Amino acid sequence: DAEITQSPRHKITETGRQVTLACHQTWNHNNMFWYRQDLGHGLRLIHYSYGVQDTNKGEVSDGYSVSRSNTEDLPLTLESAASSQTSVYFCASTDDTDTQYFGPGTRLTVL
Amino acid sequence: QKEVEQDPGPLSVPEGAIVSLNCTYSNSAFQYFMWYRQYSRKGPELLMYTYSSGNKEDGRFTAQVDKSSKYISLFIRDSQPSDSATYLCAMRNTDKLIFGTGTRLQVFP
Repeated sequence: DAEITQSPRHKITETGRQVTLACHQTWNHNNMFWYRQDLGHGLRLIHYSYGVQDTNKGEVSDGYSVSRSNTEDLPLTLESAASSQTSVYFCASTDDTDTQYFGPGTRLTVL
Repeated sequence: QKEVEQDPGPLSVPEGAIVSLNCTYSNSAFQYFMWYRQYSRKGPELLMYTYSSGNKEDGRFTAQVDKSSKYISLFIRDSQPSDSATYLCAMRNTDKLIFGTGTRLQVFP
């Protein structure tokens, strides 16, 4: 069955370290999204991509970057992790915009 | 002011109750409205989708959109313990979804 996976599921890191969160989907969807979910803020869009080599900034992109070298993967990199980036991160993919398929999430703690 | 406002709850109801979940929004350009359900420690999944004003029913779930009041609702009839989850409204006018903060619902037996 087609699916979307995220790794790692849990990550603890230190302030200032570079961290990369992986997202892999097997639906062959062109559109992929990264969100963070925080209490009181809901899901906020970090970056998104509409295809290979395409990346766009979302609402809360500062301190994050993405690259899209193939259809299946959209890794999210935190260049220099900060405590404010402690959150749950969700990746999603879709062929339209509204029916987004979400991964299981990565719980990131920055100490 | 946030574009989409949603009461965070928690909302606790007995099994069999009718549940009403609501969102208000400020951007009159929103045309597409969705409800996502998120179980604990899982990713959200699409539950209901409506376009513009009106009602849409799917089993025990009814989604309602009132564009004149900038208000959307999700009704759950005969609620079950398995409905216990966080419900997020989402809406769109161009190419990106804007999510509410989510309402946590607990249905107790």
